[in-house]
Amino acid sequence: RKEVEQDPGPFNVPEGATVAFNCTYSNSASQSFFWYRQDCRKEPKLLMSVYSSGNEDGRFTAQLNRASQYISLLIRDSKLSDSATYLCVVNIIQGAQKLVFGQGTRLTINP
Amino acid sequence: DGGITQSPKYLFRKEGQNVTLSCEQNLNHDAMYWYRQDPGQGLRLIYYSQIVNDFQKGDIAEGYSVSREKKESFPLTVTSAQKNPTAFYLCASSTLKQVSGELFFGEGSRLTVL
Repeated sequence: RKEVEQDPGPFNVPEGATVAFNCTYSNSASQSFFWYRQDCRKEPKLLMSVYSSGNEDGRFTAQLNRASQYISLLIRDSKLSDSATYLCVVNIIQGAQKLVFGQGTRLTINP
Repeated sequence: DGGITQSPKYLFRKEGQNVTLSCEQNLNHDAMYWYRQDPGQGLRLIYYSQIVNDFQKGDIAEGYSVSREKKESFPLTVTSAQKNPTAFYLCASSTLKQVSGELFFGEGSRLTVL
């Protein structure tokens, strides 16, 4: 079983819609969690960290459920510029620190 | 400006040749990482290092080698033993703070084996 799993999509939604996707993790030593955004043929960039209490940054909301071992990302009022691949990243600390990526969820916002 | 520099951006190699990808950072980060990304896939960890002169294998280390002689530098060698080396290679660095984990990426090196 992969340590971090995401639905690869692709998800195609109309502009203005609300879209949400999840990421599950299996290692109980997972300490911190992040969503990264990757545009086509570019490097990933940090979108937001995910805190236990949930956190919001503009149209983006991230939540963590430790009991069920998943994190989620919600995008409200989606824009064409939100089209990208969203990568879930988990920081596992077992002696050394290791950041593990999910395979990414591809999102396309249609006009 | 602080950041990570990878070179070359594009590299073409014949089968049987070793190639070395450069990664330099001036962020004073302790940890550095090499990832490989194949089309439509996520990032897979090749090697990582948390301190000079020490590094650990990631999930797909076979056919690769690294060195960490300086804090700023973490070059990756793709050897001829790597069966399918054509991919997008990303170098990253981070601090080692317990709750952090934000990665700073270079722009990547795209390797094509002819």
